Amino acid sequence: DAGVTQSPTHLIKTRGQQVTLRCSPKSGHDTVSWYQQALGQGPQFIFQYYEEEERQRGNFPDRFSGHQFPNYSSELNVNALLLGDSALYLCASSLEGGWRMNTEAFFGQGTRLTVV
Amino acid sequence: AQKITQTQPGMFVQEKEAVTLDCTYDTSDQSYGLFWYKQPSSGEMIFLIYQGSYDEQNATEGRYSLNFQKARKSANLVISASQLGDSAMYFCAMREDLNNNDMRFGAGTRLTVKP
Repeated sequence: DAGVTQSPTHLIKTRGQQVTLRCSPKSGHDTVSWYQQALGQGPQFIFQYYEEEERQRGNFPDRFSGHQFPNYSSELNVNALLLGDSALYLCASSLEGGWRMNTEAFFGQGTRLTVV
Repeated sequence: AQKITQTQPGMFVQEKEAVTLDCTYDTSDQSYGLFWYKQPSSGEMIFLIYQGSYDEQNATEGRYSLNFQKARKSANLVISASQLGDSAMYFCAMREDLNNNDMRFGAGTRLTVKP
C-alpha cells in the first residue's frame, strides 16, 4: 500500500516564477493538507482540501492556491515566488468525513523548493 | 500567539537510556488532541503517538509514552531504551476542536543518540 507521494522531490525556481507541487494521498484517504516547513522550524499549515474544496486556510497570502481532483490527489500552486518561499513543502493525507479529533495525518517526504 | 512550545532545540542521550522531550501548549478549547511526530533527515513526518484531552490514561506506543499533565498544559514525550535510529527531529503538534483542520506544530527538538 503506497503511502503519501509527492512530486517533484526537489525544485529550483527563480524569483517571480510560478510553481506547482503535486501530492497523491494514501490509498483510501480523502483529505489533503499542505504545510510549509522553513529551515529549522516546524511545519506551518497552508490549507486543507476535502471534497475538492478548500476547507480551511492558514495565514498564507493568495499567492498560494490549491486544487483537489476527483481522485483526491492535490496540487499546490505558488505564484510570484519570493526568496522567502524557499522551504520544504509537506503534504499530509487523512480520512475525514466527520469530526474526529484523533484523526492521524500521514505525511509525504515533501518537496524541497529553492527560490533563487 | 505560539500554540506549541518546545524549549529544547537539541538533546543528547546515550544509547539504551531514556530521554524526555518537552512540549507545552496553549489552548482555550476543552477538547483537543496532541501528537508527536518524528522527522528523519529524509523529511517525512512519522506519526509516533496521540493523546486526547479527555483521555485519562497517558498514551503509550511501544517505546514511546506521553507524559500528559493537563493542568500544566504539558505533553512530554518519553522515549525508553534509545536506539541509534531514534536520532531525528521530533515535533509536538496540536489539533483543537474549534479549529479541527489546522494542526499546529512546535519548532521541534533535534535528538542525537550517542553510541
